[in-house]
Amino acid sequence: NAGVMQNPRHLVRRRGQEARLRCSPMKGHSHVYWYRQLPEEGLKFMVYLQKENIIDESGMPKERFSAEFPKEGPSILRIQQVVRGDSAAYFCASSPSDNSPLHFGNGTRLTVT
Amino acid sequence: GEDVEQSLFLSVREGDSSVINCTYTDSSSTYLYWYKQEPGAGLQLLTYIFSNMDMKQDQRLTVLLNKKDKHLSLRIADTQTGDSAIYFCAERTGGYQKVTFGTGTKLQVIP
Repeated sequence: NAGVMQNPRHLVRRRGQEARLRCSPMKGHSHVYWYRQLPEEGLKFMVYLQKENIIDESGMPKERFSAEFPKEGPSILRIQQVVRGDSAAYFCASSPSDNSPLHFGNGTRLTVT
Repeated sequence: GEDVEQSLFLSVREGDSSVINCTYTDSSSTYLYWYKQEPGAGLQLLTYIFSNMDMKQDQRLTVLLNKKDKHLSLRIADTQTGDSAIYFCAERTGGYQKVTFGTGTKLQVIP
């Protein structure tokens, strides 16, 4: 049973470009979470999704950031018009239900030049 | 609101016990978790405890929960160099059950 798959592992974007981060949850998991980790800092919650629904996006910046988890395919975290401050590791996690432990992917490291 | 705090750094000698502490503020926590992060990797679930439990033991790991003081600890017995990593505590809270992480404690094991 494959774990949580995130791609790409590393992503380099110039300021103003768009970044698309993909996450395929573990098989049988319908709950997806996105977190951001800045260098030498902890994980900051961004958004919690179930299939086709955003459950909690209280950690998402109001502008430029969006997330989706369609009926088919991976969850996507999209950052438009990236700025240097968006450089971070973005982690996706999944769980089979809303009270089960989270299982994490290895993250996507975004660098904005 | 949710706020989870940990000390930033802990150094122990190989073979000693390590105790990593965590405090949280939300009394509606249902589950509390401990995760381990090695450099360049994602977070690995180590163990978790349901909020109506006081203690859970799993091989070298012992979790203690003091719900009155909102204090959680992770004890690693016979600490090894391979235990060097960042350890995060996390709580599941809220009506929608989101998971909030602490700042992480960097454990350094001295041979």
